[in-house]
Amino acid sequence: QKEVEQDPGPLSVPEGAIVSLNCTYSNSAFQYFMWYRQYSRKGPELLMYTYSSGNKEDGRFTAQVDKSSKYISLFIRDSQPSDSATYLCAAHGPYGGATNKLIFGTGTLLAVQP
Amino acid sequence: SQTIHQWPATLVQPVGSPLSLECTVEGTSNPNLYWYRQAAGRGLQLLFYSVGIGQISSEVPQNLSASRPQDRQFILSSKKLLLSDSGFYLCAWSVGQGFGYTFGSGTRLTVV
Repeated sequence: QKEVEQDPGPLSVPEGAIVSLNCTYSNSAFQYFMWYRQYSRKGPELLMYTYSSGNKEDGRFTAQVDKSSKYISLFIRDSQPSDSATYLCAAHGPYGGATNKLIFGTGTLLAVQP
Repeated sequence: SQTIHQWPATLVQPVGSPLSLECTVEGTSNPNLYWYRQAAGRGLQLLFYSVGIGQISSEVPQNLSASRPQDRQFILSSKKLLLSDSGFYLCAWSVGQGFGYTFGSGTRLTVV
């Protein structure tokens, strides 16, 4: 079982739609959760990060973590064609602990149609 | 501000040839450095990480190696490339806790 699981998609939505991207994880030691956006042939860029459970909002993006169900979500409101990219979720354990590295999901390819 | 440089952007190498990919970070001291490989449909696989000069941890046994000769320089090497070494190689750095990793622009390696 992979430590972080993510549906690879592709996911195609019309412009203006609300997008929901999800991941699950298996290691209860994970404490930091991140979402990266990767455009084609580019390196991933950090989009959102959260610590432990809860929500975090930044503009059109909301990251949500539910540690009880080991579920990570990213919501994109009013999606734009420029949001078309691969979205990778990632999780990190306590710094200095046994899971002291960032583990990535396989990424979900999102296409927002104009 | 901090920047990360990775080169070359694209590389085509024959099977059995050596490899050297270089990554440098500017604007920070004593960063944690990472090499990841991204294969199609398989996500990001951590290959090596380093918390200081000369300190290298290997995550995946393979014919690749890494070195950190200077604080902000991280090198990925191979003596003899295999076809299976093809992929998108990404260098990343981090400092502190909970701030995520910052990635370079990547090197697309094709072994032929």
